[in-house]
Amino acid sequence: DIQMTQSPSSLSASVGDRVTITCRASRSVSDFLNWYQQKPGKAPKVLIYAASRLQSGVPSRFSGSGSETDFTLTISSLQPEDFAIYYCQQSYITPVTFGGGTKVEIK
Amino acid sequence: EVQLVESGGALVQPGGSLRLSCTASGFTFSRYWMKWVRQAPGKGLEWVANIKQDGNEKNYADSVKGRFTISRDNAKNSLFLQMNSLRAEDTAVYYCARVDVFTVGPTFSRTKYYYYYYMDVWGKGTTVTVSS
Repeated sequence: DIQMTQSPSSLSASVGDRVTITCRASRSVSDFLNWYQQKPGKAPKVLIYAASRLQSGVPSRFSGSGSETDFTLTISSLQPEDFAIYYCQQSYITPVTFGGGTKVEIK
Repeated sequence: EVQLVESGGALVQPGGSLRLSCTASGFTFSRYWMKWVRQAPGKGLEWVANIKQDGNEKNYADSVKGRFTISRDNAKNSLFLQMNSLRAEDTAVYYCARVDVFTVGPTFSRTKYYYYYYMDVWGKGTTVTVSS
């Protein structure tokens, strides 16, 4: 199985900050990488698919980049509604696997 | 409105069985792969199983293989997860999710089609607790 490792596991940031979350795959997943946001008590929501493509309806302050084994999710200007847990997920090969999550908290 | 609604979660004893259901509405259910994903209390997301549009291809996580069975009834817009021999470690919120696909055709740098799968619609989840 491909292991997905996210860093940091948590971070504190202020509204307006630029936030970067990293996801590393144990082997190449090309650009078959998705990002999800999950708020407490809610189901996950897809933000980015195919490493860099923004899901319809997702604000443009979210962006994704990377390929092969190293990926980044960036929030250009953190908003109050962005405080949540973010997960990366590879869809390159079954079993699909998720990163452990990054919790973005208010500073 | 595109929607998935799970049901069937309950408290069950170790070794017991449970059948989860997921009812889809607002889209053509038969056109999509579907998945079950679970989340143990305070933990991350774990893929459980998926099923092809016609039900003829199914895949399972090693942790549930031989104990869980995924199925679907396209006439009833429904997805199911039959869970047998339940263990404490199966305790989780179980989500059903629709799988959308983004297709990229041949380009200058790629000579074949590529299919990018991602989960674009999720239910609210149903809770399974395995405990004596």
